Amino acid sequence: GENVEQHPSTLSVQEGDSAVIKCTYSDSASNYFPWYKQELGKGPQLIIDIRSNVGEKKDQRIAVTLNKTAKHFSLHITETQPEDSAVYFCAASNDYKLSFGAGTTVTVRA
Amino acid sequence: NAGVTQTPKFRILKIGQSMTLQCTQDMNHNYMYWYRQDPGMGLKLIYYSVGAGITDKGEVPNGYNVSRSTTEDFPLRLELAAPSQTSVYFCASSDTGFGNTIYFGEGSWLTVV
Repeated sequence: GENVEQHPSTLSVQEGDSAVIKCTYSDSASNYFPWYKQELGKGPQLIIDIRSNVGEKKDQRIAVTLNKTAKHFSLHITETQPEDSAVYFCAASNDYKLSFGAGTTVTVRA
Repeated sequence: NAGVTQTPKFRILKIGQSMTLQCTQDMNHNYMYWYRQDPGMGLKLIYYSVGAGITDKGEVPNGYNVSRSTTEDFPLRLELAAPSQTSVYFCASSDTGFGNTIYFGEGSWLTVV
């Protein structure tokens, strides 16, 4: 089955700096890669996703890159703000299953 | 716009007790899911449903049961609660399955003592 590994598990950044979270997947049939943000006491919420026919996608301060050959994808957050503090999950789907990474706790220091 | 609503928010169970976590969605989604979240383990799929009357096991179904009598509702039943079922449970739904946006409820914190 699909195995999604996510690094780092915790990330502390100074406000205004960039944050990068990396994930690798094992199933070459995976074709959909969403990123979810979970704020304290809430359910995960989709923030950005990318499909296997695209190498990069950007939405304001967040961007995701995908390297299908290496089977890894990354989330980039630029100009971090206090409201970016949360747990971020990557995931990979082959249409029949969605597998999540273990999560990254991001803390933005003022 | 309520989205996915699950109840209760918090519950403490004694070992061996049973309970049902309720979940309802108002987006007319065909797919519904139950996940559990344990520290450092991400989200694990317990059960899912592709439509009313159809359910299937996920990665960690043991100790749980589900039913899907309507499009809106997808309750999760815990029989004979065990400490290993202490977790945060999330109900979720989507329009077209695992390859598109999944909408999560706010979670149910369950402790088995």
